Amino acid sequence: LAKTTQPISMDSYEGQEVNITCSHNNIATNDYITWYQQFPSQGPRFIIQGYKTKVTNEVASLFIPADRKSSTLSLPRVSLSDTAVYYCLVGVDTGTASKLTFGTGTRLQVTL
Amino acid sequence: NAGVTQTPKFQVLKTGQSMTLQCAQDMNHEYMSWYRQDPGMGLRLIHYSVGAGITDQGEVPNGYNVSRSTTEDFPLRLLSAAPSQTSVYFCASSPLGPMSYEQYFGPGTRLTVT
Repeated sequence: LAKTTQPISMDSYEGQEVNITCSHNNIATNDYITWYQQFPSQGPRFIIQGYKTKVTNEVASLFIPADRKSSTLSLPRVSLSDTAVYYCLVGVDTGTASKLTFGTGTRLQVTL
Repeated sequence: NAGVTQTPKFQVLKTGQSMTLQCAQDMNHEYMSWYRQDPGMGLRLIHYSVGAGITDQGEVPNGYNVSRSTTEDFPLRLLSAAPSQTSVYFCASSPLGPMSYEQYFGPGTRLTVT
C-alpha cells in the first residue's frame, strides 16, 4: 500500500479555509485517495474520495494534480466543530474490499 | 437504522483474562473489520471479513481471534489479555465493491488491561 505523509498538526481561525496536503509519491495506477475525519472518542468518519482532478461534496473538496503524487483536502470556512484529526489514505481497492491503512493523521485545531 | 454498534463501551481486564468484544451492523454490509487505536496513533487493522464464514488477518492479528457466523455480527476475542492490548477498539463495516472505501465505524470499546 502506498505510504502517505501529511503534517502532524495545523491551526486555523474560525471562518478560514483550511487546506491539508497529503503526499503519496508511490501511488499505484489503481489507487484511490480517501480522507477520513475523527473526533475525540469517536470512530473515523468518511469525508471524501477521489481518483484525479477535483471532487467536491457538501463537506469538502479534494484536489488531485495530474501526477497524483499528492492531494489536498480543502475545508471551506471552518468552524470550531471542525477540530479533529484528518487522515489521508491511499491504496483502496474498490474492486472487492478495502483494507484501510491509517497513518497518524493531521490534527486540526480551530479557534475563535 | 442503528449502523455499527459495539459493546461494551469500556472494559477493564486483568492480565491473562479472556473476553469478547461484540460488533453488530444492520446495513447488510458484507465487509467488516476490527481496528485498534493506541493513544496518539492511527488505526491498525487487526482482522477483517468479506462475508459470513470468511475471515483474514490484518496488520496486527496476534492475540486476537475472530469469527463471522452471520452477516450482522463480527465478534473479536482476546485469548489471554496483555497490557500491550490496552487500546481503543473500533469495528467498521462497508459494502463490497466500488463503495468499499466508505467504511462505517462504531463508537469504539476502550479496553484497559492491568
